[in-house]
Amino acid sequence: GAGVSQTPSNKVTEKGKYVELRCDPISGHTALYWYRQSLGQGPEFLIYFQGTGAADDSGLPNDRFFAVRPEGSVSTLKIQRTERGDSAVYLCASSLTRDNEQFFGPGTRLTVL
Amino acid sequence: DAKTTQPPSMDCAEGRAANLPCNHSTISGNEYVYWYRQIHSQGPQYIIHGLKNNETNEMASLIITEDRKSSTLILPHATLRDTAVYYCIVFTSGTYKYIFGTGTRLKVLA
Repeated sequence: GAGVSQTPSNKVTEKGKYVELRCDPISGHTALYWYRQSLGQGPEFLIYFQGTGAADDSGLPNDRFFAVRPEGSVSTLKIQRTERGDSAVYLCASSLTRDNEQFFGPGTRLTVL
Repeated sequence: DAKTTQPPSMDCAEGRAANLPCNHSTISGNEYVYWYRQIHSQGPQYIIHGLKNNETNEMASLIITEDRKSSTLILPHATLRDTAVYYCIVFTSGTYKYIFGTGTRLKVLA
């Protein structure tokens, strides 16, 4: 079956610009997670949704980062006023319930010039 | 901080068993051990998880010590395609998020 998909696969932007990264979870999965991975490091938790609501956003680095999941399926991670330090691979994962294993998408590689 | 400690790298000959250790000495009674791997430029892939009993599936076996302070992931017949970074994660039902360490970079040698 279809796995988690993320678009775009690559995004290059300029410092100060706004970007949106999209995640399509596995159908029927109620929990959705965003992680960020810098080169040579393990993924770092950003936020997770249970249904439509953000259940834990403690990993968002600052208020330039925001994520939504309005209908409990697709999620969008939004980054305002991008900085060079935001360059990383942004990973999305979903799970049937929050107690189940998470399935990851291929990631979006964000490069801020 | 990650609650696990893993060696940074390991080599394994193709066709041999790969045994990847993980220390999680502060694990609590309701916390699970999860293993994922990440092949270059891909998202992490779920392998296996367990609470206290040993587990086996089509990909691997997970051996958890009786005191639960460490575990070993076993790939019974490693192939070149098993070359990846392997992450051991302690999962708490209650926080629901993974805290990754830096993992073990396994290289399978022909």
